[in-house]
Amino acid sequence: QITLKESGPTLVKPTQTLTLTCTFSGFSLSTSGVAVGWIRQPPGKALEWLALIYWDDDKRYNPSLRGRLTITKDTSKNQVVLTMTNMDPVDTATYYCAHRLSAAAAGQEDYFDYWGQGALVTVSS
Amino acid sequence: DIQLTQSPSFLSASVGDRVTITCRASQGISSYLAWYQQKPGKAPNLLIYSASTLQRGVPLRFSGSGSGTEFTLTISSLQPEDFATYYCQEVNSYPYTFGQGTKLEIK
Repeated sequence: QITLKESGPTLVKPTQTLTLTCTFSGFSLSTSGVAVGWIRQPPGKALEWLALIYWDDDKRYNPSLRGRLTITKDTSKNQVVLTMTNMDPVDTATYYCAHRLSAAAAGQEDYFDYWGQGALVTVSS
Repeated sequence: DIQLTQSPSFLSASVGDRVTITCRASQGISSYLAWYQQKPGKAPNLLIYSASTLQRGVPLRFSGSGSGTEFTLTISSLQPEDFATYYCQEVNSYPYTFGQGTKLEIK
């Protein structure tokens, strides 16, 4: 059974760096084809894709965040960490991590079949 | 970046109705499209991927079609648990974008 859970601060100040951890079970990020992504959703708004890390440590980012994002993995701890620098009130959102649908089902296509419950992060002084 | 435009943004329907939601891409994305359902306070749930493949465990009343720039999600007979917000997402090229959402409400 695959599960994911986000953890991190609920409140950060403007200009601070946000560090979110996704702790998962039921799969290994060292297995070929596996990937974990981050998606966020401001209150009442649409979803926004942020970043994706693959089993081979390939990483992809949303360039609209202008280099503020870093995604890393710790396969021994079954964790993926997302850091976002220079936080602003517009970054207030629920942040989700999600598991990529297996390559057996979707080939090279990066859909998300399991999601964490989400972590609400508020940016305010 | 590829832009996805969903229509309508809001949809009011009754139990038993057949409804269709459209997602248009700003450029061709082959069949690299998914549909998600999201209920208030919950994470999105994958319904359809590769434009028309039903995710395991999703009821057969949900179906997807399309390729290139125009896609549709159809619910053949609305059930009470289907009232939610629906998002399309493209995975043709990074950054993978989502549509703005379609909120399906009870009439």
